[in-house]
Amino acid sequence: QKEVEQNSGPLSVPEGAIASLNCTYSDRGSQSFFWYRQYSGKSPELIMFIYSNGDKEDGRFTAQLNKASQYVSLLIRDSQPSDSATYLCAVRNSGYSTLTFGKGTMLLVSP
Amino acid sequence: DGGITQSPKYLFRKEGQNVTLSCEQNLNHDAMYWYRQDPGQGLRLIYYSQIVNDFQKGDIAEGYSVSREKKESFPLTVTSAQKNPTAFYLCASSIDGLVRPSSEQFFGPGTRLTVL
Repeated sequence: QKEVEQNSGPLSVPEGAIASLNCTYSDRGSQSFFWYRQYSGKSPELIMFIYSNGDKEDGRFTAQLNKASQYVSLLIRDSQPSDSATYLCAVRNSGYSTLTFGKGTMLLVSP
Repeated sequence: DGGITQSPKYLFRKEGQNVTLSCEQNLNHDAMYWYRQDPGQGLRLIYYSQIVNDFQKGDIAEGYSVSREKKESFPLTVTSAQKNPTAFYLCASSIDGLVRPSSEQFFGPGTRLTVL
């Protein structure tokens, strides 16, 4: 059974701080990794994807991937109260056209 | 206006009844997916389809059925055999079944099913 692990949180940060969200995965053959944001009662929306080792930046968001350590993270700079949501890590399963999702980390950004 | 639509938004079912959740997309995506989300849980894959008239079971297919007669439609039936169907159901699609590393999966707004 392929597993994706996330700390459930909540992770609390003050407005303007950097929020760091982490994810580990068990399938060593996984190639693509996705971060989704989900507001309460809403469907997930894609923030970023990454498939090469290293960092990928998009505005205030940076995804980091370390395949050797089977670890992917999302950094949110200058956190805003509107960033308060649950962040889901998803991993594309090797050999399959499907994703395995973690349970998500709840982020709370206080004004 | 392209996207994925799901209906109804809220659905109430009596025990022993079958219900069908609708999912339609006008993105011309090949692949479509159904997930279930329970409170505090991640998304669990029920069924997926990469092409018309073909679909595969996901991790929790028991008690569910699907069809894919048209590219744009992928309805999910929750049968009476599903013992605990109360959950948030999400439909998703991707352009090419996640074949390319950069392929993305997009979600509809969801249907919240409650068994009375």
